[in-house]
Amino acid sequence: AQSVTQPDIHITVSEGASLELRCNYSYGATPYLFWYVQSPGQGLQLLLKYFSGDTLVQGIKGFEAEFKRSQSSFNLRKPSVHWSDAAEYFCAVVGGGGGNKLTFGTGTQLKVEL
Amino acid sequence: EAGVVQSPRYKIIEKKQPVAFWCNPISGHNTLYWYLQNLGQGPELLIRYENEEAVDDSQLPKDRFSAERLKGVDSTLKIQPAELGDSAVYLCASSFSGGAGEQFFGPGTRLTVL
Repeated sequence: AQSVTQPDIHITVSEGASLELRCNYSYGATPYLFWYVQSPGQGLQLLLKYFSGDTLVQGIKGFEAEFKRSQSSFNLRKPSVHWSDAAEYFCAVVGGGGGNKLTFGTGTQLKVEL
Repeated sequence: EAGVVQSPRYKIIEKKQPVAFWCNPISGHNTLYWYLQNLGQGPELLIRYENEEAVDDSQLPKDRFSAERLKGVDSTLKIQPAELGDSAVYLCASSFSGGAGEQFFGPGTRLTVL
């Protein structure tokens, strides 16, 4: 069965600083990978996804992620964080068994210091 | 275009009482999902519908949880009777059928069981 690990429960960065959120997955074949963001009281919004092809994917709000098969990682990055980026970020994988079954990590809570 | 609609947004009940959550998916989305999100955790799939058919309910605690999706559009998730441990956020999502397409999430219903 597939699984996702987000090693960092909380991260604090200063506004304008760069950001990298880590995600490691476990899945036997090529996974479909996603990053979602959840603001307080809101549902999850898709930031970006990787299915195949170019391993560096661009998403909304200036985010990007890089798929590294050798490291089983799909880390999320942003060159300059804005205060409005403070939220919880979830990495997720769709694996085998069909049916779009998303398996989520436990999330990383991002705090942005002004 | 309207997103996934859920109601109520918040619900407070006493233990052993019944509760129901309602979800209206995005128009044209045949696949509907109910997720459970505990505090500090990522969402976990409870049940997935393809049109009217529940195709994956392996994680639904069937002794107290039930769900229906009449006419393949709106869906209702019910808990009877509720227990203290059911306090969580219940998320509904929808997507087009097939493949591993993007799931669109509603804002969720935050349930508190006293």
